[in-house]
Amino acid sequence: AQTVTQSQPEMSVQEAETVTLSCTYDTSESDYYLFWYKQPPSRQMILVIRQEAYKQQNATENRFSVNFQKAAKSFSLKISDSQLGDAAMYFCAYRSAFSYGGSQGNLIFGKGTKLSVKP
Amino acid sequence: DAGVIQSPRHEVTEMGQEVTLRCKPISGHDYLFWYRQTMMRGLELLIYFNNNVPIDDSGMPEDRFSAKMPNASFSTLKIQPSEPRDSAVYFCASSLGAYNEQFFGPGTRLTVL
Repeated sequence: AQTVTQSQPEMSVQEAETVTLSCTYDTSESDYYLFWYKQPPSRQMILVIRQEAYKQQNATENRFSVNFQKAAKSFSLKISDSQLGDAAMYFCAYRSAFSYGGSQGNLIFGKGTKLSVKP
Repeated sequence: DAGVIQSPRHEVTEMGQEVTLRCKPISGHDYLFWYRQTMMRGLELLIYFNNNVPIDDSGMPEDRFSAKMPNASFSTLKIQPSEPRDSAVYFCASSLGAYNEQFFGPGTRLTVL
């Protein structure tokens, strides 16, 4: 079974600085998708960024970028120029690209990292 | 587009009572997922549907939990009887296709006293 581990329960960053959130995963599959979701105090789960395992190029969305290292099974999120609105829980998630045993489409989440942004 | 709609947003009930959580997916989406979030276990998939048919319910914790999707625009998650350990935030999410982005609802915070 696949697992996702986020080793940093809490992180803090100064406004306008850069912070990196860590995520590692375990899988025997060769093709899959990885995601970072943001959950602000409103509880709404918001997709931040997505990476397909077959793509070597790291995904980027504005101030958010990932460092995807497939061999190391590592998927870290870098937030540049941090803003107060970035304060939230961040969840790393894995999804298989294969359909078997009813696993099609479901996300496997890490426990999350709580990010605080200091003004 | 209104997004995924869940009701109620908050539910407080007493142990032993029946609880029904409701979800309206985004129109046109063919996959619907129910997740549960707790401090101890994080976010876990309970069950998901494809074209209104339950595909995988292996995450449903006990027979006290049941889910239905009578049509493409409505799903329910029922707990009967409820127990204090069922207290959690329950999310519904929908997607167009299994491998596209899942859009989450605002969640229902359930408290069982």
